[in-house]
Amino acid sequence: GESVGLHLPTLSVQEGDNSIINCAYSNSASDYFIWYKQESGKGPQFIIDIRSNMDKRQGQRVTVLLNKTVKHLSLQIAATQPGDSAVYFCADQNYGGSQGNLIFGKGTKLSVKP
Amino acid sequence: ETGVTQSPTHLIKTRGQQVTLRCSSQSGHNTVSWYQQALGQGPQFIFQYYREEENGRGNFPPRFSGLQFPNYSSELNVNALELDDSALYLCASSLRGGDEKLFFGSGTQLSVL
Repeated sequence: GESVGLHLPTLSVQEGDNSIINCAYSNSASDYFIWYKQESGKGPQFIIDIRSNMDKRQGQRVTVLLNKTVKHLSLQIAATQPGDSAVYFCADQNYGGSQGNLIFGKGTKLSVKP
Repeated sequence: ETGVTQSPTHLIKTRGQQVTLRCSSQSGHNTVSWYQQALGQGPQFIFQYYREEENGRGNFPPRFSGLQFPNYSSELNVNALELDDSALYLCASSLRGGDEKLFFGSGTQLSVL
């Protein structure tokens, strides 16, 4: 079956340091991956996405890396700020299946220490 | 803010009752997806609506049903509520035929007693 999960449930970093959040997926047919940030009391907020024909994609302070060989996805946050504290989810979307059907992992809680 | 609005924000029901949750999609979006998020878990796909019809469903029983209206807003209905239905219900809208990114609302927190 298809599953998307995270290696670490919690991550604590010092303000200004870089953060790396990891994610594993099992469906080799997965072709689209998304990272979401969820703050307390809010819905998931889109951060960055990557398609399976890419290895790396950069946004503002964030980079997503995709390693299809080992089915691994990571989110790197540069110069982590207190406002980055949230739960981060990776999600997988297989366009061969039901569109809009995102498979979420359990999430990693990022805490930023001032 | 995503422009996706959900109502109500909180709701308390008792087991066996029925509930209706509402969602207004972001302007320009034509597709609505519903997710259930249990405490400490990632969201789980319930179903998606496009052109007022269900277009894909996750592993949820038939007592979970929905509607989409001509203005693309949507309702999620749950009959015969069970204690395990207590969760945050999230609505996400997207544009089929566009970049298809999902934008989520803040959710409705449902408690079943």
